Amino acid sequence: ELKVEQNPLFLSMQEGKNYTIYCNYSTTSDRLYWYRQDPGKSLESLFVLLSNGAVKQEGRLMASLDTKARLSTLHITAAVHDLSATYFCAVGDDKIIFGKGTRLHILP
Amino acid sequence: ETGVTQSPTHLIKTRGQQVTLRCSSQSGHNTVSWYQQALGQGPQFIFQYYREEENGRGNFPPRFSGIQFPNYSSELNVNALELDDSALYLCASSLGRPPRGGYTFGSGTRLTVV
Repeated sequence: ELKVEQNPLFLSMQEGKNYTIYCNYSTTSDRLYWYRQDPGKSLESLFVLLSNGAVKQEGRLMASLDTKARLSTLHITAAVHDLSATYFCAVGDDKIIFGKGTRLHILP
Repeated sequence: ETGVTQSPTHLIKTRGQQVTLRCSSQSGHNTVSWYQQALGQGPQFIFQYYREEENGRGNFPPRFSGIQFPNYSSELNVNALELDDSALYLCASSLGRPPRGGYTFGSGTRLTVV
């Protein structure tokens, strides 16, 4: 059974700082997704990573995938308050299984 | 190109009742997946439909059932509602297996069971 673990589950950080969210998963998969969720809202797709070594960047967010280590990272550069949200990784080739999410709170 | 539409947006039901939630998939998508998201938790996979057939099911009891129609829209039905069924129910559509381009999520249906 595929298990997806994120850490940390909660992160409070100052604006301007850098940080990384980690996503580990338990079985082989070449497909990993990152989503953002604002309170009371649905899931917004951030990145789709489809192969080992994939790296994608959008603004202050960069995601990477290492399928051999079964690890993905979401790196935040020079955080701003608008990035405060819950971030989920999800893994799967056919059906996707989500981690518990990382609640990111960026202090102005 | 329309996105994924879910209805209703909010719903209050009494324990023991039955509920049907609806999902219209994004144009051109043939796969629909349903997720339950309890407050403060990650989405939990309920089941997936591909071209009108169930294609996998998560750890949910049989009182959770679904259907996909020829136009690829879908319904989630929950019988004998329990208080713990209170959650945000999310529908996601995609194209192909594995999906090309990822999953598009709807805005969800907030179900409250009292």
